[in-house]
Amino acid sequence: GNSVTQMEGPVTLSEEAFLTINCTYTATGYPSLFWYVQYPGEGLQLLLKATKADDKGSNKGFEATYRKETTSFHLEKGSVQVSDSAVYFCALSDRGGANSKLTFGKGITLSVRP
Amino acid sequence: EPEVTQTPSHQVTQMGQEVILRCVPISNHLYFYWYRQILGQKVEFLVSFYNNEISEKSEIFDDQFSVERPDGSNFTLKIRSTKLEDSAMYFCARRAGRGGNTGELFFGEGSRLTVL
Repeated sequence: GNSVTQMEGPVTLSEEAFLTINCTYTATGYPSLFWYVQYPGEGLQLLLKATKADDKGSNKGFEATYRKETTSFHLEKGSVQVSDSAVYFCALSDRGGANSKLTFGKGITLSVRP
Repeated sequence: EPEVTQTPSHQVTQMGQEVILRCVPISNHLYFYWYRQILGQKVEFLVSFYNNEISEKSEIFDDQFSVERPDGSNFTLKIRSTKLEDSAMYFCARRAGRGGNTGELFFGEGSRLTVL
């Protein structure tokens, strides 16, 4: 079945530091890949997505590239801010018609210090 | 503005009681989902619902759970007899768009269920 593996957390960084959060996946076919973010006390929000190999998703300074050869979708940001403190989830969708659903990784908590 | 509105935002109940969580989409869509997140753990798929029928359910979604869309608008998740381990945040989601499917889902803000 499909699965998503995220690096272990939590991660604590100083403001303006470089961020990388690793994500690898196992899936049949050609999944879509996503990063969702959950700010404290809020629900899940889509951060960015990529729907095919070599696509780069980007939003709010975050980027992730769909790497089929390494089955990875690592999240990066060049300079994090305190407001980026949240839980980040990598996810995939098999897009299989009516039974399409998202499979999530465990999530990683990011804390950014001023 | 959330894509779906969930109520209640927080519910506290006694073990063995029935709970109904509600989800109201902003616009008319056909594909809905319920996910669960136990505190500090991963977001888990419970059930998907298409055109007023369950299309897929996980092994978590046992006989204690049911879903329905009673009035064509509200989408509900019912837990018949709650257990302590049902304490979690429950998220409703809808599929993005009516046409081509990229797999993206829009989530509500969640309903936190606490079972005592």
